[in-house]
Amino acid sequence: DTGVSQNPRHKITKRGQNVTFRCDPISEHNRLYWYRQTLGQGPEFLTYFQNEAQLEKSRLLSDRFSAERPKGSFSTLEIQRTEQGDSAMYLCASSFNSGGTEAFFGQGTRLTVV
Amino acid sequence: AQTVTQSQPEMSVQEAETVTLSCTYDTSENNYYLFWYKQPPSRQMILVIRQEAYKQQNATENRFSVNFQKAAKSFSLKISDSQLGDTAMYFCAFMKPGGSNYKLTFGKGTLLTVNP
Repeated sequence: DTGVSQNPRHKITKRGQNVTFRCDPISEHNRLYWYRQTLGQGPEFLTYFQNEAQLEKSRLLSDRFSAERPKGSFSTLEIQRTEQGDSAMYLCASSFNSGGTEAFFGQGTRLTVV
Repeated sequence: AQTVTQSQPEMSVQEAETVTLSCTYDTSENNYYLFWYKQPPSRQMILVIRQEAYKQQNATENRFSVNFQKAAKSFSLKISDSQLGDTAMYFCAFMKPGGSNYKLTFGKGTLLTVNP
């Protein structure tokens, strides 16, 4: 297992287009998180899955954002009608279900909306 | 809501010297975890060190140690014998365990540069 994998690493899109990112967590991890990191800021929580269930969404996650984790394995984060303000690094992290406090992060997907 | 404050946007240190990164936090919780994560340039974030709030003893991991002052809500990271590979963004983070969501609340980070 090579850790948490995110694809693509970089994405440039035109304003108004839809984009989708993928995260493959460490295989035995039940918990999966999405965070957003803008320049000069720390990562901010977006949403959380336990297995396939999306259990919490931040108020940062507008209606244009949707996330899924079918079958409790990989996850996708889709942004519809992208705006320039969506430009950021999108980080995925996973952790063990049984009291696992260490989050393992992927390298992130850097989104640039032009 | 919890907040985490890192007041040093950037710091630098000479190789082999010691440096301390500051972090303060605000919470009304009594049971929580604090972390320092390292984010090297263009690489994924990794855990450096973890502290459980109910443990009075400060955590230590090789060259990394923390000074946890619960009453003052302070959680600083000391890096001894700094190495060039320590150059990275360092984020202080808070976690309230319990329930099922172990989400992290991060500070804005401190960019540490280790100079040869």
